[in-house]
Order: sequence, then structure tokens, then C-alpha cells
Amino acid sequence: DAGVIQSPRHEVTEMGQEVTLRCKPISGHNSLFWYRQTMMRGLELLIYFNNNVPIDDSGMPEDRFSAKMPNASFSTLKIQPSEPRDSAVYFCASNEQTDTQYFGPGTRLTVL
Amino acid sequence: QKEVEQDPGPLSVPEGAIVSLNCTYSNSAFQYFMWYRQYSRKGPELLMYTYSSGNKEDGRFTAQVDKSSKYISLFIRDSQPSDSATYLCAMSRNSNYQLIWGAGTKLIIKP
Repeated sequence: DAGVIQSPRHEVTEMGQEVTLRCKPISGHNSLFWYRQTMMRGLELLIYFNNNVPIDDSGMPEDRFSAKMPNASFSTLKIQPSEPRDSAVYFCASNEQTDTQYFGPGTRLTVL
Repeated sequence: QKEVEQDPGPLSVPEGAIVSLNCTYSNSAFQYFMWYRQYSRKGPELLMYTYSSGNKEDGRFTAQVDKSSKYISLFIRDSQPSDSATYLCAMSRNSNYQLIWGAGTKLIIKP
């Protein structure tokens, strides 16, 4: 299996621009997670989907962040408008129910 | 106070040494305990998974859980330079999704 696939791997944008991060989970996995990792705050869960339905979005920092999962093989995390404090590494992870989480390589976002 | 405390390090040891990495936690409801390894500019990968108390061994790695002390450990025997990475502990109450993460300990193994 190719593992969790994320794109782009690196994104540099200017404050105020819209950013879209993409994730393809492992085939057959029914849960998907979006995380953000920073030096200051460590690894934070942003949102969790089960069977394409958002179950817990309490970690989404504010309305500028939105996530969708239109089908079992694709999810997006969108930031609009982006701000410098959104600079971080964003990880997508997936698993089967009650199994371990498998992480993608991450998207390194820099907002200037 | 954070639910999970982990010393961020860095911890630097010579090759071949036994390494001990630890996390403490405050929520006695945690039942599932995990250790993830994260190499620089990569995503975390699961290293060890333990349910409830006790020890679990996998090759050079041993995970230990002491629920009475709310303390978990990861031991690495015969450490190698390739073990240099950040090690994150994670735990949950009754499901896999609501993982609570430690800050991660950066480990450096010197040749």
C-alpha cells in the first residue's frame, strides 16, 4: 500500500490567501484525522472523520479553518484567509476502527 | 497542567547505551498507551502499543506501563544512530481516535 498521501508537501503563501491541503487515506480505512504540529503546541487534533462524516471538530481553531471529506478516498483542509500564525506542519492520518493511526508525510505550510 | 507530560529533551547518549524515555499523565481513565517515533520532516509512525498495565517487548524496544503511578516508559537497548528521532507518547481512554499526545522527546544517539 502507498500509505497516506498528502499534497502539497510544502506550501508558501502570503497572508490573506486561501490554502487547501489534500489527503488520500489508506484504502479501506474508515477514519481520517487532521493534525497540526508546531514547536510551541506539539501535535494537535483538528478534526476527525468517521465514514466520511465529521465526528469531532472541536480542535479546529476558528472559522477560517474548514475540512471536507466528500468520499472515502479524499479529504481537504482549507484555511481562508490564512495568517502567519497558521504556519505549521499539517498531518493527515487514517485508520480502521480501533486500529492504530497511520500518518502521512505532512504538509509544511508557511504563511508570510 | 497538561494531561500528558513529556520532557522535550534533547536527550543525547552514546551508541550502544540503554535509553529510557518517559511520560507521566494525570487522567486515570487512560487505558491505551502508544509510543510513536518521528524522524525529522516525516510523519509519526507507531512503535509500540500497549493496553492497560504491564510490559511489552519488540526487539530492542520495551514499553512499560505503570497505571498506579500514571507513568509509562519506553526502553531502547543497544541504541543505534538510526534511533535518533523524536519519540512521542500518546494515550486514550476507550477509543483510538481521542489520542492525547505528549510533547515528544528528541533523542540523539552519538556514534
